[in-house]
Amino acid sequence: NAGVMQNPRHLVRRRGQEARLRCSPMKGHSHVYWYRQLPEEGLKFMVYLQKENIIDESGMPKERFSAEFPKEGPSILRIQQVVRGDSAAYFCASSPPAAPNEQFFGPGTRLTVL
Amino acid sequence: GENVEQHPSTLSVQEGDSAVIKCTYSDSASNYFPWYKQELGKRPQLIIDIRSNVGEKKDQRIAVTLNKTAKHFSLHITETQPEDSAVYFCAAAVSGYSTLTFGKGTMLLVSP
Repeated sequence: NAGVMQNPRHLVRRRGQEARLRCSPMKGHSHVYWYRQLPEEGLKFMVYLQKENIIDESGMPKERFSAEFPKEGPSILRIQQVVRGDSAAYFCASSPPAAPNEQFFGPGTRLTVL
Repeated sequence: GENVEQHPSTLSVQEGDSAVIKCTYSDSASNYFPWYKQELGKRPQLIIDIRSNVGEKKDQRIAVTLNKTAKHFSLHITETQPEDSAVYFCAAAVSGYSTLTFGKGTMLLVSP
């Protein structure tokens, strides 16, 4: 059973470009979460999704950030018009339907904005 | 919303010593408390968790204790080894509601 997959592992963008981060949950997991980790900081919740639904986006910045988890394919975190402050590690986690708190993390995408 | 405080931010011990990391939380509705270990450049990995219906849980050299009245929980690592060196994060959540609120992490360094 493959773990949570994320790609790309590293992403470099110039200011103003778009960043697309992908996450494939573990097999059998229907809940996906996105977290952001700044250097020397903890993990900050951004958004929680189930297939075709955003359940909780209370941690997501109101502008430039969006997330989706379509019926088919991976979950996508999209950052438009990136700024230097968006540079961080973005982790995706997934959990099974019966235990939504038990979250397993992917390897992360390290975004660098030049 | 929930607020989780974690102490200390860094902890240095000699191999074989015990290490204790403490967390406090603010939301009395929280009843699920996981601990994650993150090695440099790697993903956070769930190492142990505890629910509010128990006060202590052990798994080999790792144990977690919970005091619901005081709203704090702790991670205990005995007989530390150099490979225990990592950043450890505590978190809190309301069971059945998925959002985890994390502490800021403790960097544990175990010297041989």
